[in-house]
Amino acid sequence: GENVEQHPSTLSVQEGDSAVIKCTYSDSASNYFPWYKQELGKGPQLIIDIRSNVGEKKDQRIAVTLNKTAKHFSLHITETQPEDSAVYFCAASITGNQFYFGTGTSLTVIP
Amino acid sequence: NAGVTQTPKFQVLKTGQSMTLQCAQDMNHEYMSWYRQDPGMGLRLIHYSVGAGITDQGEVPNGYNVSRSTTEDFPLRLLSAAPSQTSVYFCASRYTGKGEQYFGPGTRLTVT
Repeated sequence: GENVEQHPSTLSVQEGDSAVIKCTYSDSASNYFPWYKQELGKGPQLIIDIRSNVGEKKDQRIAVTLNKTAKHFSLHITETQPEDSAVYFCAASITGNQFYFGTGTSLTVIP
Repeated sequence: NAGVTQTPKFQVLKTGQSMTLQCAQDMNHEYMSWYRQDPGMGLRLIHYSVGAGITDQGEVPNGYNVSRSTTEDFPLRLLSAAPSQTSVYFCASRYTGKGEQYFGPGTRLTVT
């Protein structure tokens, strides 16, 4: 099956700085890559996603980039705020029925 | 619109006991799934369903059974609980063919 690796496992940034989280995947057939934010005691929530026919997608302060050749994709958060503190997960899917998740990045934004 | 609901929130079982984790959604989503979340391992897919009467195995199906008799409900059954099944369980749903999955609030299960 697909193998998704995520780095770093923890990330601390000063408020207003940018944060970047990177994921790699193993199966070149993967074509859908969502990113989830999970706050303490809650279920994951989709924040942005990208399909393999697109190289970059942006939504306000959040952007995702995809490099199909290198099989990696990244989440970029600009102008970080304390409410961005959470655990972030990347995932990959081939069929849209089975999703493979990374191991998560705990982001702390220091006021 | 309650979204995805899960019951119970917390459960403690003894080894060998059985129980059912409940999941329901009111969004008329065809696709529903169960994940377990363990420290340092992300979320792993247990079983999923693309519609009533249709279920399939995910990455870690052993020890778990599912059925889908209605669009709204997707229960997860542990027939004989083991300490290795101690985890947080999440149910999710979405429209078939559309990416966004909506997750429930989770059930924290401890097996002693």
